[in-house]
Amino acid sequence: DGGITQSPKYLFRKEGQNVTLSCEQNLNHDAMYWYRQDPGQGLRLIYYSQIVNDFQKGDIAEGYSVSREKKESFPLTVTSAQKNPTAFYLCASSSLAGLGDTQYFGPGTRLTVL
Amino acid sequence: DQQVKQNSPSLSVQEGRISILNCDYTNSMFDYFLWYKKYPAEGPTFLISISSIKDKNEDGRFTVFLNKSAKHLSLHIVPSQPGDSAVYFCAASAYSGAGSYQLTFGKGTKLSVIP
Repeated sequence: DGGITQSPKYLFRKEGQNVTLSCEQNLNHDAMYWYRQDPGQGLRLIYYSQIVNDFQKGDIAEGYSVSREKKESFPLTVTSAQKNPTAFYLCASSSLAGLGDTQYFGPGTRLTVL
Repeated sequence: DQQVKQNSPSLSVQEGRISILNCDYTNSMFDYFLWYKKYPAEGPTFLISISSIKDKNEDGRFTVFLNKSAKHLSLHIVPSQPGDSAVYFCAASAYSGAGSYQLTFGKGTKLSVIP
């Protein structure tokens, strides 16, 4: 049963703490992405990775870090430097097999910083 | 500067009628367009896509139309069902180099289908 899993579904952290969000896919996709969604907003790209051990900043990378040590995994760390970390975080993946880029999303993690 | 715009934040339609969701874009480099459906607190689900070489793509009750000269696309749902009630995101893809495509999303339109 292929898909993208994100854990946990809900996460609470105190201000000033780093927190890592998990994203795993078993679709054998090359590319993985992290987005953030805020109320009334579209999805904004934080980081993306096309290949293991390589990743690029998206539109709003400040205050975030990622790693891509395995093809299946792309964890996102929300650091204390991120000024407004409370949001809904979405991970996606795609195959990069041809023209266009259909991305498939995980269920998301709601992060609340208290 | 918003490159993908969904100007209607919300839309209400009677069950059984047609729902038409609209999307405009400004970047002429976009060559692939997608629609996603999203329920609250869930990830977006891919619905349908269209390449810029086509002007129409159909999948069951869902049809996407692309008007390149107007930089406009629309999603038609016929007939609308209460289960279609969700937020619909329009997304556009452009090649960003080294085999990579990036998606740019609109802000979404909340569709409510009234029984």
